[in-house]
Amino acid sequence: SAVISQKPSRDICQRGTSLTIQCQVDSQVTMMFWYRQQPGQSLTLIATANQGSEATYESGFVIDKFPISRPNLTFSTLTVSNMSPEDSSIYLCSVEGSWGYGYTFGSGTRLTVV
Amino acid sequence: KQEVTQIPAALSVPEGENLVLNCSFTDSAIYNLQWFRQDPGKGLTSLLLIQSSQREQTSGRLNASLDKSSGRSTLYIAASQPGDSATYLCAVALGTSGGYQKVTFGTGTKLQVIP
Repeated sequence: SAVISQKPSRDICQRGTSLTIQCQVDSQVTMMFWYRQQPGQSLTLIATANQGSEATYESGFVIDKFPISRPNLTFSTLTVSNMSPEDSSIYLCSVEGSWGYGYTFGSGTRLTVV
Repeated sequence: KQEVTQIPAALSVPEGENLVLNCSFTDSAIYNLQWFRQDPGKGLTSLLLIQSSQREQTSGRLNASLDKSSGRSTLYIAASQPGDSATYLCAVALGTSGGYQKVTFGTGTKLQVIP
């Protein structure tokens, strides 16, 4: 299965600023997925990123708040813009493996907004 | 819209006990179902993947079953150990019109194994 390197692993940010999270995959993948996990909650899909096209956002998430880049088949970034304390969460990227391998997740970025 | 529920939300057992975690989903037209483990503040570790055509998968002390018709999956952990303490998540994949699968996560079961 694919190996994902995600960074930063954690950050503490001031409200009103932006943070860009990076995910690097060790193989080429068509789709990459970005999730948010709020404290004590399960994972919620933010958007699906396909190389060469705009990301598809889930209900409740907008591009102005969570812009995503997907410049090639092994890399993607998620930016959390104009942050507020409510954005404090773990953010994870994910890719789908070959048939039989399911989904693989990055180690996550723990974001605290103060 | 797929909804995934896990019962119980939390479970505390003595070491050595066998246990069952439950996952139920509302849309049975699934592509696959995957069980994950998450340690506090960490990412997700895949435990078992069951394709829609399969009924169960086994890995070591873990056994996962799938009954699509009833919308249920169970994760059986044999001879539990303190190192099994974590939150267990089930994730159900459905096909989309875009040709990829969309994954919906369950609410999770927080397991504590007491030495």
